[in-house]
Amino acid sequence: DTEVTQTPKHLVMGMTNKKSLKCEQHMGHRAMYWYKQKAKKPPELMFVYSYEKLSINESVPSRFSPECPNSSLLNLHLHALQPEDSALYLCASSRGEGVSYNEQFFGPGTRLTVL
Amino acid sequence: DAKTTQPTSMDCAEGRAANLPCNHSTISGNEYVYWYRQIHSQGPQYIIHGLKNNETNEMASLIITEDRKSSTLILPHATLRDTAVYYCIVSSGNTGKLIFGQGTTLQVKP
Repeated sequence: DTEVTQTPKHLVMGMTNKKSLKCEQHMGHRAMYWYKQKAKKPPELMFVYSYEKLSINESVPSRFSPECPNSSLLNLHLHALQPEDSALYLCASSRGEGVSYNEQFFGPGTRLTVL
Repeated sequence: DAKTTQPTSMDCAEGRAANLPCNHSTISGNEYVYWYRQIHSQGPQYIIHGLKNNETNEMASLIITEDRKSSTLILPHATLRDTAVYYCIVSSGNTGKLIFGQGTTLQVKP
């Protein structure tokens, strides 16, 4: 299995809602990532988890809360988002050893709309 | 991490080689060159990476100049399915921190 799966594919939420995005991989990868991509822009790194511990937080607002319950699963909890947070949220994974950190496998993304 | 410069867009005829250039004049000795592509409405896809030697895999070839200040990604026989945004990224390789630039939009035409 060489896939990264993300659910849901689409999500519409209000500014007062709490929702979660889910990402799963079964490749035995030990590093997992969240990216945000606005329309017609490149992906921007948000968080990196390495061996289930948060290793990079790119100064992301606290209304985004990542969680890595085990080595196969990565969640992104959303609370009190703003309309400008509407974007494609991409999850990725990699083996997580040396240079292989940057050979990342991406999921198809969750398209989030905040009303 | 070093910054990269790529042309905004390029066209290529189907069946011909697509040569995508990238400048990374401030690359340092421990930084690798990575190439990814993103087909419309999909997540990015890893293509290839290299440090200083040329590299080839089933998808593409990567040619890095001797001074390492630029590189070229070569898709030997472009197909319509190769139409995508191609990103050249320079990274030290052991942090997982990929900084995507604006990339090159490659349009393969019949």
